[in-house]
Amino acid sequence: DTGVSQNPRHKITKRGQNVTFRCDPISEHNRLYWYRQTLGQGPEFLTYFQNEAQLEKSRLLSDRFSAERPKGSFSTLEIQRTEQGDSAMYLCASSLQGGNTGELFFGEGSRLTVL
Amino acid sequence: AQSVTQLDSQVPVFEEAPVELRCNYSSSVSVYLFWYVQYPNQGLQLLLKYLSGSTLVKGINGFEAEFNKSQTSFHLRKPSVHISDTAEYFCAVYNQGAQKLVFGQGTRLTINP
Repeated sequence: DTGVSQNPRHKITKRGQNVTFRCDPISEHNRLYWYRQTLGQGPEFLTYFQNEAQLEKSRLLSDRFSAERPKGSFSTLEIQRTEQGDSAMYLCASSLQGGNTGELFFGEGSRLTVL
Repeated sequence: AQSVTQLDSQVPVFEEAPVELRCNYSSSVSVYLFWYVQYPNQGLQLLLKYLSGSTLVKGINGFEAEFNKSQTSFHLRKPSVHISDTAEYFCAVYNQGAQKLVFGQGTRLTINP
């Protein structure tokens, strides 16, 4: 299976610790998106990359959040000094920019619990 | 700015009954519309999409949706549901200017035997 892969699937951490999530997109996809989903809500856009360039960041992405896609392939999302409000499912998705129809292919998500 | 409103947060139905999940969107430009399904502890899976052409779109698992431009709606329907359709359903809108999907808050579909 060559779908979008995310790890870890689950992360439990104490408040104040740093966490990092990794996303491996579908290999030929040049766009990569991060979304956050809290309980009972729809996914909220955080940021997206086209190749290695980060083209947009949501206001939801505070200074404690940083995302990278150094070689235009996999991406990491780091959260520093975690807070309980960061508890959520972090979803990664990828797409082909050339198609530009908006269809995103999602990974299984990384669930973060901050104690 | 675009927005998506899913009018029902929860929809309970009996097995083999028909169902309609409602979605309205706001956008000042042409849009592409999507329905995604999310099973417990999983990511989102595409059910169907409207890009252009026929306003009635058929998707996987027997679902279909109708694009209504005048009412800015994209309601999802299935004539006969199964227990396995129990999931969260998300409507989403995309336009080329924003370059991202904007999701509604979701509708939880519960199928009772």
